[in-house]
Amino acid sequence: GDSVTQMEGPVTLSEEAFLTINCTYTATGYPSLFWYVQYPGEGLQLLLKATKADDKGSNKGFEATYRKETTSFHLEKGSVQVSDSAVYFCALRMNDYKLSFGAGTTVTVRA
Amino acid sequence: NAGVTQTPKFQVLKTGQSMTLQCAQDMNHNSMYWYRQDPGMGLRLIYYSASEGTTDKGEVPNGYNVSRLNKREFSLRLESAAPSQTSVYFCASSAQTGNYGYTFGSGTRLTVV
Repeated sequence: GDSVTQMEGPVTLSEEAFLTINCTYTATGYPSLFWYVQYPGEGLQLLLKATKADDKGSNKGFEATYRKETTSFHLEKGSVQVSDSAVYFCALRMNDYKLSFGAGTTVTVRA
Repeated sequence: NAGVTQTPKFQVLKTGQSMTLQCAQDMNHNSMYWYRQDPGMGLRLIYYSASEGTTDKGEVPNGYNVSRLNKREFSLRLESAAPSQTSVYFCASSAQTGNYGYTFGSGTRLTVV
């Protein structure tokens, strides 16, 4: 079935460091891809999305590019802040209604 | 603020008790979902409702029932709670298929003792 695999955490960084969280997917067609973020004690919020190959999603300094050739959608941020400490989920959606989520990656940014 | 509202936020149940988790959205979304979140396992779909009047099983439906009461409301019922159902439960909604993501509620933390 359709699924996503994302890098295991936890990831601990210093402020202003570069962040990459790897995400690869398996799908029979061409899914839409998403990154969600979950701050402590809250629900998930959509961070960014891409709907077709070579699309780049961006928001709050985060970027991810939909790479069909490598079936990947890696999340990057050039300079993280303490406020970026959260759990990040990669997800895909095919033409049906359901989102499939990765296991989540916990990111902690230290001042 | 528009969004998805879940109640209650916290609940402790004894094994064998029943309860209903409530979810309501005010965005006129057609589709609604219930997920559970467990450490190291991401989110797993319990049940979903593609549109008013329909419900379908997700990955982990055993021990749960749902009701799509109307377009706004989608409830999740545990008939006889078990410790394995200790989890954080999230309700979500979406406008339609394809390119749209979900809007999530803030979650219900359920502990079954």
